[in-house]
Amino acid sequence: GDSVTQMEGPVTLSEEAFLTINCTYTATGYPSLFWYVQYPGEGLQLLLKATKADDKGSNKGFEATYRKETTSFHLEKGSVQVSDSAVYFCALSDSGGYNKLIFGAGTRLAVHP
Amino acid sequence: NAGVTQTPKFQVLKTGQSMTLQCAQDMNHNSMYWYRQDPGMGLRLIYYSASEGTTDKGEVPNGYNVSRLNKREFSLRLESAAPSQTSVYFCASTPGQQLLLAGYTFGSGTRLTVV
Repeated sequence: GDSVTQMEGPVTLSEEAFLTINCTYTATGYPSLFWYVQYPGEGLQLLLKATKADDKGSNKGFEATYRKETTSFHLEKGSVQVSDSAVYFCALSDSGGYNKLIFGAGTRLAVHP
Repeated sequence: NAGVTQTPKFQVLKTGQSMTLQCAQDMNHNSMYWYRQDPGMGLRLIYYSASEGTTDKGEVPNGYNVSRLNKREFSLRLESAAPSQTSVYFCASTPGQQLLLAGYTFGSGTRLTVV
């Protein structure tokens, strides 16, 4: 079945460092890909998305490009802030339909001043 | 504020007790979902309701039941709680036809501990 694999955390960075969180997927068909962010004590929020190959999703300085050839959707940010500390989830739309999302295990990011 | 409301936020149960987790959305969304979140395992789908009047099993439905009471409300019931059901439960909704545009809207979660 479809699945998502994320790099294990935690990822610990200093403020203004460059961030990459790796995400690869296995899917039949042509899924849409998403990044969600979860701040402490809160539910998940959509961060960005891409619906077809070579699309780049972007929001709040974060970017991810849908790479069909490498089945990847890596999350990047050029300069992280302490406020970016959160758990990040990569997800894909289930080929089985009904708008179901399949999530990765999540990657915790801690940014220190 | 419009969104997804989950109650309660915290609950401690004894093994064998039953309870219902409540979820309501006020965005006129068609589809609703229940996920559980466990460390190192991400979110796993328990049950979903593609539209009012329908429910279907997800990846981990055993030990749970659901009711789509109306378009707004989607409840999750644990008939006989087990320690393995200790988790954080999230309800989510989406318009139904616009997942690709809107994604999911999540509630803030229910942290359940079964002792």
